[in-house]
Amino acid sequence: QQQVKQSPQSLIVQKGGISIINCAYENTAFDYFPWYQQFPGKGPALLIAIRPDVSEKKEGRFTISFNKSAKQFSLHIMDSQPGDSATYFCAARWNSGYSTLTFGKGTMLLVSP
Amino acid sequence: DGGITQSPKYLFRKEGQNVTLSCEQNLNHDAMYWYRQDPGQGLRLIYYSQIVNDFQKGDIAEGYSVSREKKESFPLTVTSAQKNPTAFYLCASAMTGGNQPQHFGDGTRLSIL
Repeated sequence: QQQVKQSPQSLIVQKGGISIINCAYENTAFDYFPWYQQFPGKGPALLIAIRPDVSEKKEGRFTISFNKSAKQFSLHIMDSQPGDSATYFCAARWNSGYSTLTFGKGTMLLVSP
Repeated sequence: DGGITQSPKYLFRKEGQNVTLSCEQNLNHDAMYWYRQDPGQGLRLIYYSQIVNDFQKGDIAEGYSVSREKKESFPLTVTSAQKNPTAFYLCASAMTGGNQPQHFGDGTRLSIL
């Protein structure tokens, strides 16, 4: 019940294209949904986050779309650039009082020049 | 600069040996976390702590131990009971309350000799 399922496992997009990564969850006690970006040999860094009472949040080229009834959320990267090539993780926070995060298994994005 | 420092960056363990991974933060965060990252597995929570002298087991605590004697420090010991310790270990910290993001260090890569 605490799982977050992420797809696809890997993604290749041409420069200027749209990258889309999807996540789904079952536990309705999740109350906060961040996305992290990780470059090789580095720790993940927060990219953008959303609460379930919001259907969409945009920050620059990055947009989260959230569908509460379907228990799904997705990350869209517009005008993808080679510098966006990284591994992306969706996560969900379980509102248990300890604010722990459950992570998806990650999507390795490669943006070809 | 404020941040999270993990050391060493690379660590090698002999069979039957305990090793300790260091995590220090100067962000004045109350909560600290340890994750294990394996290829294709995402981040899995090992231990977490909300306050000094208190910590809880995460999803994969077996074979690991922690201490939280100071707010700034949360060392992780990988014991000889952990039969498959080879992984990338990530430490994170966060403020408690509200939608406070977790900030990550740059990890320690542990390998078996």
